[in-house]
Amino acid sequence: DAGITQSPRHKVTETGTPVTLRCHQTENHRYMYWYRQDPGHGLRLIHYSYGVKDTDKGEVSDGYSVSRSKTEDFLLTLESATSSQTSVYFCAISEGMDGYTFGSGTRLTVV
Amino acid sequence: QKEVEQDPGPLSVPEGAIVSLNCTYSNSAFQYFMWYRQYSRKGPELLMYTYSSGNKEDGRFTAQVDKSSKYISLFIRDSQPSDSATYLCAMSGGGGTASKLTFGTGTRLQVTL
Repeated sequence: DAGITQSPRHKVTETGTPVTLRCHQTENHRYMYWYRQDPGHGLRLIHYSYGVKDTDKGEVSDGYSVSRSKTEDFLLTLESATSSQTSVYFCAISEGMDGYTFGSGTRLTVV
Repeated sequence: QKEVEQDPGPLSVPEGAIVSLNCTYSNSAFQYFMWYRQYSRKGPELLMYTYSSGNKEDGRFTAQVDKSSKYISLFIRDSQPSDSATYLCAMSGGGGTASKLTFGTGTRLQVTL
């Protein structure tokens, strides 16, 4: 997706290990978001950021932390991965109310 | 009860049919309404964006918002196999940090030849 990239695209990790997912944008958008997508639940907000070092929790933030030290990068960390965190993770960016642009997603499997 | 309800489908229609996709919501503060299309193993992409009540048309797509009924719709005319995807409704209450979107669970659409 133009202007926003997620890495890695796929990851398999073991229960109890820390995992960091990266979102990088080249659009200089103020807002960045992390969502997870699961069957039957749709997209659920984990954390979001409204500026460098300004972050807040979403509806499913337990077990996750985020950091934004630069406008272009928003990191999502699973402090100690659990099987319930197996999901597809999407990063999104926006500038005010112009709608979101999503990344291609990271498919995470916790075994 | 979820803030945004959307029938998960799947919905299967023949090519050329008119498709109607719908969402209901409970939060009367929602003012911005969007439809996203998501192809398999891809990220959602913005399809239609409407502010407050009314209709908006873009090619074969028409979005309708009825705030009095808390009901939004997406119509697809002359549906094509390339329209086969999951359609997500999304809505928000306003600007600033309130620009967070709340999504429906998505409706899977299959357009057959």
